[in-house]
Amino acid sequence: SYELTQPPSVSVSPGQTARITCSGDALPKQYAYWYQQKPGQAPVLVIYKDSERPSGIPERFSGSSSGTTVTLTISGVQAEDEADYYCQSADSSGTYGDVVFGGGTKLTVL
Amino acid sequence: QVQLVQSGAEVKKPGASVKVSCKASGYTFTSYGISWVRQAPGQGLEWMGWISAYNGNTNYAQKLQGRVTMTTDTSTSTAYMELRSLRSDDTAVYYCARDGVGYCSGGSCSRYYYDSSGYYLDDAFDIWGQGTMVTVSS
Repeated sequence: SYELTQPPSVSVSPGQTARITCSGDALPKQYAYWYQQKPGQAPVLVIYKDSERPSGIPERFSGSSSGTTVTLTISGVQAEDEADYYCQSADSSGTYGDVVFGGGTKLTVL
Repeated sequence: QVQLVQSGAEVKKPGASVKVSCKASGYTFTSYGISWVRQAPGQGLEWMGWISAYNGNTNYAQKLQGRVTMTTDTSTSTAYMELRSLRSDDTAVYYCARDGVGYCSGGSCSRYYYDSSGYYLDDAFDIWGQGTMVTVSS
């Protein structure tokens, strides 16, 4: 089955830049989405269609795409950004087109 | 404001069924769809399926085909997800999320479509419910 691969963890100091990658063979032919999830809370959409930011999401969150990898970048990381981050796309190789999530990346703010 | 409010926690025995509700407010219900996503304790997110609130068309995750049914009641702006033949590994927090209304042709809608260049197009989960804990235990 189709998989999206994320690093399990990323650690940065406050004020630095965090980059979280997500790799998948089908990403050149479909959009990726990013969600932030804090403990005990529902996920929140932070990036859609590779690089678009929903209203209300701080400008320090940005997204980019290159080939089979998409990247979530958080510039000037703040303590409140500590959370799990999930990329999402789809299995476009089969007939079902199932939505697929990456395994998640835990961002730790040191 | 735009929100999705889900029903309360459930405890079920193996083999039973569970039905979770998701009431929408603050937007035109029939202009969007609803996806359901679950998260087992300490694990990642798993998509279960989508329903168009416009016409009730559904796309279910291949893994859950035959065990899950998604419906809507447009008179109350509520979506429902029923999961049957519950097993212990169905223990999870179940979320509803606002999704696209779907891509429709000839009265039938799908959550996604391929454009003329073969690009897969779909929509984001932009609003989430608070989650419903379902525990399956004997």
